[in-house]
Amino acid sequence: NAGVTQTPKFRILKIGQSMTLQCAQDMNHNYMYWYRQDPGMGLKLIYYSVGAGITDKGEVPNGYNVSRSTTEDFPLRLELAAPSQTSVYFCASSPPPDRGETQYFGPGTRLLVL
Amino acid sequence: GQNIDQPTEMTATEGAIVQINCTYQTSGFNGLFWYQQHAGEAPTFLSYNVLDGLEEKGRFSSFLSRSKGYSYLLLKELQMKDSASYLCAGMDSNYQLIWGAGTKLIIKP
Repeated sequence: NAGVTQTPKFRILKIGQSMTLQCAQDMNHNYMYWYRQDPGMGLKLIYYSVGAGITDKGEVPNGYNVSRSTTEDFPLRLELAAPSQTSVYFCASSPPPDRGETQYFGPGTRLLVL
Repeated sequence: GQNIDQPTEMTATEGAIVQINCTYQTSGFNGLFWYQQHAGEAPTFLSYNVLDGLEEKGRFSSFLSRSKGYSYLLLKELQMKDSASYLCAGMDSNYQLIWGAGTKLIIKP
């Protein structure tokens, strides 16, 4: 099993550009999450999904969009990139969280907006 | 509001024992997670506590006191590879994780 995969690993964007961060998992998890991690800060939840076709906002959704057309894929779209979106982005998946099981994280995408 | 507090940085000696503390305030409580994160990598799971008490897993143990809103991670027989950040995360009533900023642990020979 590859677990959770993310592409690209690193990207530089100019202000105002758009891009999609890809995330895929092969563990058949219904729950998937997008986080951002800024230096010296905890992970912040951007969006999450409880299954194909169902998404919901997390703590910091502004400037982002998501879709979930399949169980495996959960892409994150950045529209009109801003310097404040410079961060490391982690995608994660998990079994239903009421089981007390861990979230499994992808390797992350490092994004620099200049 | 919801909040997780943990020390920013700690230093310990190889072979010694270190305790990393975490206090939490969450809206409802469905457990407390500890993750390890090496520089430039993703978090990896260490432990989960939902009941009071100590859970031991090899060199790592985690303790929870729900009445005090307090947890700690105990690392024994420290090795250089234990140099990493340790993240505390509380699960709230909506089963969402609220993350601390992490404790950077520096191990000296």
